[in-house]
Amino acid sequence: QSALTQPASVSGSPGQSITISCTGTSSDVGGYNYVSWYQQHPGKAPKLMIYEVSNRPSGVPDRFSGSKSGNTASLTISGLQAEDEADYYCSSYTSSSTLVVFGGGTKLTVL
Amino acid sequence: EVQLVESGGGLVKPGGSLRLSCAASGFTFSSYSMNWVRQAPGKGLEWVSSISSSSSYIYYADSVKGRFTISRDNAKNSLYLQMNSLRAEDTAVYYCARPSGWNDWDFDYWGQGTLVTVSS
Repeated sequence: QSALTQPASVSGSPGQSITISCTGTSSDVGGYNYVSWYQQHPGKAPKLMIYEVSNRPSGVPDRFSGSKSGNTASLTISGLQAEDEADYYCSSYTSSSTLVVFGGGTKLTVL
Repeated sequence: EVQLVESGGGLVKPGGSLRLSCAASGFTFSSYSMNWVRQAPGKGLEWVSSISSSSSYIYYADSVKGRFTISRDNAKNSLYLQMNSLRAEDTAVYYCARPSGWNDWDFDYWGQGTLVTVSS
């Protein structure tokens, strides 16, 4: 069982918006602004899409945005495109000895 | 261009050992902490271990503590993971990952991964 809880799957049509949630505890998501989101296409390494809750690395489209409320972080993708179809993982710093925890991943299907 | 290239994966019997390497280039390796993250087949990501830039601080996931040892050689721009007492549940693709520099807990560069299979 992963430390952070994500829905197993979400779907949306091209042009629509979707939101993926990531629920943790006050020891990780709720306690620190060190939530990241990764995109992973099959057979590829993960790609950092959001860092520190809501910041986008250079080159990441502004269709991707992040937010946090309490112990739950969210990734929103607006204007869905076919190439957004991938697995998405959240992660957070944690005050436990584990240091970094990941969510179980969410498979995004673009219909 | 930042590059991370893992090597050393393969098939090993339960209870066996393996040493993974990660060759880094394109950035000042000695200035960054480094991490190992693994992904079991068809499963999610799991953080494994972290080592600070000067090797002063080392952390492990509970699942590998006491069995795995992370180390680095800044003169060789290399990161290592010594894995002992391997179990079937250690079967995974192992990635080395570099923090972004904004903080130590998000990873903006990843290697291509090396597959470790633990099976008799």
